[in-house]
Amino acid sequence: DQQVKQNSPSLSVQEGRISILNCDYTNSMFDYFLWYKKYPAEGPTFLISISSIKDKNEDGRFTVFLNKSAKHLSLHIVPSQPGDSAVYFCAASASYTDKLIFGTGTRLQVFP
Amino acid sequence: ETGVTQTPRHLVMGMTNKKSLKCEQHLGHNAMYWYKQSAKKPLELMFVYSLEERVENNSVPSRFSPECPNSSHLFLHLHTLQPEDSALYLCASSPTVLNNSPLHFGNGTRLTVT
Repeated sequence: DQQVKQNSPSLSVQEGRISILNCDYTNSMFDYFLWYKKYPAEGPTFLISISSIKDKNEDGRFTVFLNKSAKHLSLHIVPSQPGDSAVYFCAASASYTDKLIFGTGTRLQVFP
Repeated sequence: ETGVTQTPRHLVMGMTNKKSLKCEQHLGHNAMYWYKQSAKKPLELMFVYSLEERVENNSVPSRFSPECPNSSHLFLHLHTLQPEDSALYLCASSPTVLNNSPLHFGNGTRLTVT
């Protein structure tokens, strides 16, 4: 049973518009969430994280929102750029365990 | 240069072969990990090492055998694999195993078992 779900396998967005990637989780003990970005033939790279004590974290064009009551987080990219085209993985962990649980990823394509 | 280097990038092996995957990190981290990524599945944690001690073995079959001779190097020894073991194997490191310590991944080894 997947504890971290990314229900949209792909997303296509025009350059300059906002990209919104969604992630749902089932384990209420998760208290730390991360987004990773992966280009083809490369390993995932850390993008942004958020602790459960916050509901928003911003880093440049990237903002992560956390809705604990809905067990939902989202990554907003604005404005989207062609170089943002990649697979984005959501991940979550709980402080009582060292294990990081990943979603299946969403492939984002930003077209001109 | 990612800071985490994996070799080889690609590996094709038969089910009776023995091979090893190598990972080296140049970041001074104390924790190292092996992950498996199969098509359309989440990244699966296989093993975790902290200061060369194995702290997690996520129910991985014994045909996968990790080795961590020091905090900079991690190996995954493979023997008598099955075709369903074909996947991308990713090594990662982090400063510690604490959950707020983001992982730094290598570029992976694409393994094909024939």
